[in-house]
Amino acid sequence: DARVTQTPRDKVTEMGQEVTMRCQPILGHNTVFWYRQTMMQGLELLAYFRNRAPLDDSGMPKDRFSAEMPDATLATLKIQPSEPRDSAVYFCASGLGTGGRETQYFGPGTRLLVL
Amino acid sequence: EDKVVQSPLSLVVHEGDTVTLNCSYEVTNFRSLLWYKQEKKAPTFLFMLTSSGIEKKSGRLSSILDKKELFSILNITATQTGDSAVYLCAVERGTYKYIFGTGTRLKVLA
Repeated sequence: DARVTQTPRDKVTEMGQEVTMRCQPILGHNTVFWYRQTMMQGLELLAYFRNRAPLDDSGMPKDRFSAEMPDATLATLKIQPSEPRDSAVYFCASGLGTGGRETQYFGPGTRLLVL
Repeated sequence: EDKVVQSPLSLVVHEGDTVTLNCSYEVTNFRSLLWYKQEKKAPTFLFMLTSSGIEKKSGRLSSILDKKELFSILNITATQTGDSAVYLCAVERGTYKYIFGTGTRLKVLA
């Protein structure tokens, strides 16, 4: 049963620390998305990649967030330095095809709490 | 500014009831509208709609899009407690840019 995996599942850190979240997309999927979900803002698209190339990261705060895909099996989202307002659930999703829309599968999320 | 608005924000019904969830949108360069179900963790895909007036159906769930009036509805008939979840609507603006609504929280009582 193919699924997107994310690590860590939960992360508690102090303000100013670096946070790295990892995602393993479903094998063969060529599109990867990073989302952030909060009670106030709902689900927001942060960045997405196709064939490992970043297509758009306009949803990310540029000064502290960065997203990469070092290879086809790993996507990372880093926050440095972290701030309390970054507390949220971060989802990775992967998809396949020209649109990747119908097959966009979400991972279980990383719940981040920045104190 | 692009926006996706869902209503109602929350809904409590009894098993067997039929519910209708609404999603209205204002976005530039609309490509598609998607519905997701989110229980405790990650959203799971329900439907993708791109054309007006064509109903998509899966079991007791169905959805339709009106591109003229800029809205979509998600219907659930004969609701069950397992339908309790947050239902999210997302609009694809341009390619791959998804804007999500804040969701409708549905609670189905036994």
